[in-house]
Amino acid sequence: AQSVTQLDSQVPVFEEAPVELRCNYSSSVSVYLFWYVQYPNQGLQLLLKYLSGSTLVESINGFEAEFNKSQTSFHLRKPSVHISDTAEYFCAVSSGGFKTIFGAGTRLFVKA
Amino acid sequence: NAGVTQTPKFQVLKTGQSMTLQCAQDMNHEYMSWYRQDPGMGLRLIHYSVGAGITDQGEVPNGYNVSRSTTEDFPLRLLSAAPSQTSVYFCASSPSLANEQFFGPGTRLTVL
Repeated sequence: AQSVTQLDSQVPVFEEAPVELRCNYSSSVSVYLFWYVQYPNQGLQLLLKYLSGSTLVESINGFEAEFNKSQTSFHLRKPSVHISDTAEYFCAVSSGGFKTIFGAGTRLFVKA
Repeated sequence: NAGVTQTPKFQVLKTGQSMTLQCAQDMNHEYMSWYRQDPGMGLRLIHYSVGAGITDQGEVPNGYNVSRSTTEDFPLRLLSAAPSQTSVYFCASSPSLANEQFFGPGTRLTVL
């Protein structure tokens, strides 16, 4: 069975500092990996995804994530965060069936 | 292109009442799903559909029914509301298994 573990429930960080949000998954088959972002009182939006090919994927707003098959991880990073990055971030795994499994979420607080 | 729409935005029910949460998408996506979001638990899949006339259960289907008579609509029915169903409900659609899901804005449901 698939599972997703987001290792931090909350991450406070100062503006312009780097951040890493950690995600580990378990699956016995090939997977598709996603990071979604949820701003307050809104639905989820796709931030980035790994389907195949290059293990480093990037978003348009400076986030990146690296698929590490040996460590079964898909950590999300940004070298310099902004106040506007304050949101909840969800890691998700799909292994070809339609059942996508979401992690519990990580709340990122960016402080001035 | 409205994307995924959900109605109502907010709803308060008494224990034992029934109601239907509406979801519609105008992107001609085959795959649709319903999730509930509870604090600290991420999103949990209730039911999903891989096309008109085809539905299946997710992780937490008890107390909920779905049907998919058209590609566009995927209503979620609460048969006899219970306080444990107090949650935020999200509908999502996707063009294929390996693609991102597009989420609606959510329905916040309170069962007294």
